[in-house]
Parts: sequence; structure tokens; C-alpha cells
Amino acid sequence: SQQGEEDPQALSIQEGENATMNCSYKTSINNLQWYRQNSGRGLVHLILIRSNEREKHSGRLRVTLDTSKKSSSLLITASRAADTASYFCATAPNTGGFKTIFGAGTRLFVKA
Amino acid sequence: EAQVTQNPRYLITVTGKKLTVTCSQNMNHEYMSWYRQDPGLGLRQIYYSMNVEVTDKGDVPEGYKVSRKEKRNFPLILESPSPNQTSLYFCASSDRANQPQHFGDGTRLSIL
Repeated sequence: SQQGEEDPQALSIQEGENATMNCSYKTSINNLQWYRQNSGRGLVHLILIRSNEREKHSGRLRVTLDTSKKSSSLLITASRAADTASYFCATAPNTGGFKTIFGAGTRLFVKA
Repeated sequence: EAQVTQNPRYLITVTGKKLTVTCSQNMNHEYMSWYRQDPGLGLRQIYYSMNVEVTDKGDVPEGYKVSRKEKRNFPLILESPSPNQTSLYFCASSDRANQPQHFGDGTRLSIL
């Protein structure tokens, strides 16, 4: 089964609004990463948050991590039409081995 | 320019005809990985490699083989492809395990 599960599956907002996506996971992790994918292209790394960090910022992105709830959120502030894409969380489980586990993703549509 | 290059980008083939998808990176990365992406399922890891001659199974390895004879190359081999392996495949690499991954542009395989 998938380690990471994003919520919502799809999100439609107006340009200028904030977009929040959530990710839940099942096992303890080394870190959690967020990626973006445009229309079936390769994924692009956005931000990494370590298991001992609670919040991280990068430009208009803000990521939080709550290891007690095994969840993370990605906030995109002041969204733009160019932010339209699918967003995935990926976890590196701290259970031996070096797998990377992706969730099913959130499709974000930003209307101009 | 840092790149992960996959070939071919598109392939239509028939059941049982062996095929190889090549992947090459020019960043001297130790960690390389293969994923398949299917609608509604996100990315699922097929195999990964920690370094030359070190490979391990991901979550969906059945029906696939890999090899890592050189650091830059990580080919994915389908010995006897079947229709359920029709998918979009991505190769990715990172400096080490659990670090941000660089993705190729994907290979769309259709097996009839």
C-alpha cells in the first residue's frame, strides 16, 4: 500500500488564493519531500523537510511536518496560473533499506 | 547541464518481446531509481541502486530487471513484457539515498 497519501485529490482555486495540500504516511521517516509534476513530465523537487524539523519555507512554499500525526502539509501562497500542476509527497521510511515512497498526488488547478 | 536522460521516450511493442529502457545521468550520483506512474496510483518504485553493483527491490519489482555496471547508467529490462506493464516510466537519480531526486522526462510504454 502507499506510504504517502495526499489530500485532497484535486483542488481548484483562483489566482491569488492560497493552496493547501496534505500528506499522511504510515511509518517513521528520515525525511519528507514535496515534488511537482507538470502534465506527465518528470517530477521536480520543491522542498525537503527532515524528521526533526517542524516547518520550512522556500519562497511562496511553506511545509509543515507533524511526526506525531504522521502528516505534512504544503502551502502555496498567492498562487499563480503557472502553479497548475500535480504535487506529490515522498517519504524515505526509516525502516531499513533505501526506498522512496510517493503518494498518489494532488492535482492543483489555478484559474487566472 | 545536469541531466537524467531516458531512451526511448515512447515505445509501442508486443507481449513477450524483450525490451530495455536506458537511463543515464551526468551528475556522478550514487543513487538511481526506476518508477512507474499509473493513473490514480502516483509513482511506485520498481528498483533502486545505491551504487555500482548494488541494487534492491522497490515496491513493484515483479517482471523487471535492472543492472548497475557503471555509475552513470541504470537500464530497466523487461524480459517478457505483458500488457499490465503498460505505463509511464521515470528514472531518477540523487547524490545519496534519501536526498532530492532529479527525474528524467519519462518513457511511455505501450505493450499490446
